[in-house]
Amino acid sequence: AQTVTQSQPEMSVQEAETVTLSCTYDTSESDYYLFWYKQPPSRQMILVIRQEAYKQQNATENRFSVNFQKAAKSFSLKISDSQLGDAAMYFCAYRDNYGQNFVFGPGTRLSVLP
Amino acid sequence: GAGVSQSPRYKVAKRGQDVALRCDPISGHVSLFWYQQALGQGPEFLTYFQNEAQLDKSGLPSDRFFAERPEGSVSTLKIQRTQQEDSAVYLCASSLVGGSTDTQYFGPGTRLTVL
Repeated sequence: AQTVTQSQPEMSVQEAETVTLSCTYDTSESDYYLFWYKQPPSRQMILVIRQEAYKQQNATENRFSVNFQKAAKSFSLKISDSQLGDAAMYFCAYRDNYGQNFVFGPGTRLSVLP
Repeated sequence: GAGVSQSPRYKVAKRGQDVALRCDPISGHVSLFWYQQALGQGPEFLTYFQNEAQLDKSGLPSDRFFAERPEGSVSTLKIQRTQQEDSAVYLCASSLVGGSTDTQYFGPGTRLTVL
């Protein structure tokens, strides 16, 4: 079974600085999808960024970018120019090419300090 | 609607009571998912519908959990004879088609507390 690990239960970053959240996963599949979701206190899960495993180029969405290392099964999220609104739980998620459901990591709580 | 909605947002039940949680997916979305999120943890898959067909219920923790989507739109997750370990946030998500590339859109969840 696939597993997703996030080794940082909590992180903090100063406003306007850069922070990197770590994620590793375990799978025997070669084709799959990886996601980062943000969950603010309102509980609404919001898609931040996604990466297709067959693409070598790292995905980027404005201030958010990933470092996808397929061989190492690593998928970290970099947030640049952190804003107060970035404070939330961040979940890394895996989805294979056949199943419909996500496998989520345990999450990292990000605090942004003014 | 504009997004996935869930009701109620909060539910308190006494141990042994039955509860029903509702999910209204985005209009036109074929696929619907239920997840259980325990406090301080990531969501865990419960079940998946494509239209009215329940294609995967492998994540349902016991036969006390039952989900339905009779007309292929609104879905209800029912928990019979609730136990304290059922206390969690129940998240619903929908996606347009259900392919592996499809984005899932999540609702705000229902926080269930079993006393």
